[in-house]
Amino acid sequence: DMKVTQMPRYLIKRMGENVLLECGQDMSHETMYWYRQDPGLGLQLIYISYDVDSNSEGDIPKGYRVSRKKREHFSLILDSAKTNQTSVYFCASIPGTANTGQLYFGEGSKLTVL
Amino acid sequence: GDSVIQMQGQVTLSENDFLFINCTYSTTGYPTLFWYVQYSGEGPQLLLQVTTANNKGSSRGFEATYDKGTTSFHLQKTSVQEIDSAVYYCAMSGLNAYKVIFGKGTHLHVLP
Repeated sequence: DMKVTQMPRYLIKRMGENVLLECGQDMSHETMYWYRQDPGLGLQLIYISYDVDSNSEGDIPKGYRVSRKKREHFSLILDSAKTNQTSVYFCASIPGTANTGQLYFGEGSKLTVL
Repeated sequence: GDSVIQMQGQVTLSENDFLFINCTYSTTGYPTLFWYVQYSGEGPQLLLQVTTANNKGSSRGFEATYDKGTTSFHLQKTSVQEIDSAVYYCAMSGLNAYKVIFGKGTHLHVLP
């Protein structure tokens, strides 16, 4: 069963604290993504990872960094979180390029920064 | 750069009404176009996909046609049901085949 798992599903942090959002997939997909979803803005791309240690900035990378040390696992890190980073974060993976396959999304991680 | 535009933030219909959601795109590449659907509490999932090789896609009664002339990829359904209530995203991969960008989403609310 193809699955993208995100942890934690819900997280509350204070401004200035560090945040780690984790994503795993059991499909051996090479390419993985982090998006954030905000009302009225839709899904915005933060980072793409093409494979282990091969990461590329998306459209809104400022304030975020990522880590991919194993193909199955992709982390999103917020160093010193800000209140405007309150959002729902989605991880996704794809077997090849978007021309040949669909994105598989996790269920999302809802982050609140107070 | 590449962009996807969905102007309708919210659409409210009654059961058996006709659905039409606008989507236009801009790219210098050869796009692959998608509609994703997101039900409450879940992640988005692929509804249908179209490439330049096949102009039309359909799934679960939904249909979308790619029009290169007007750079549009509108979503239609003849008769919506309450279970179709969800957020619908138009999306595209363009110049970078790995990069998928999304429109702002259209929240469809179908009244029983």
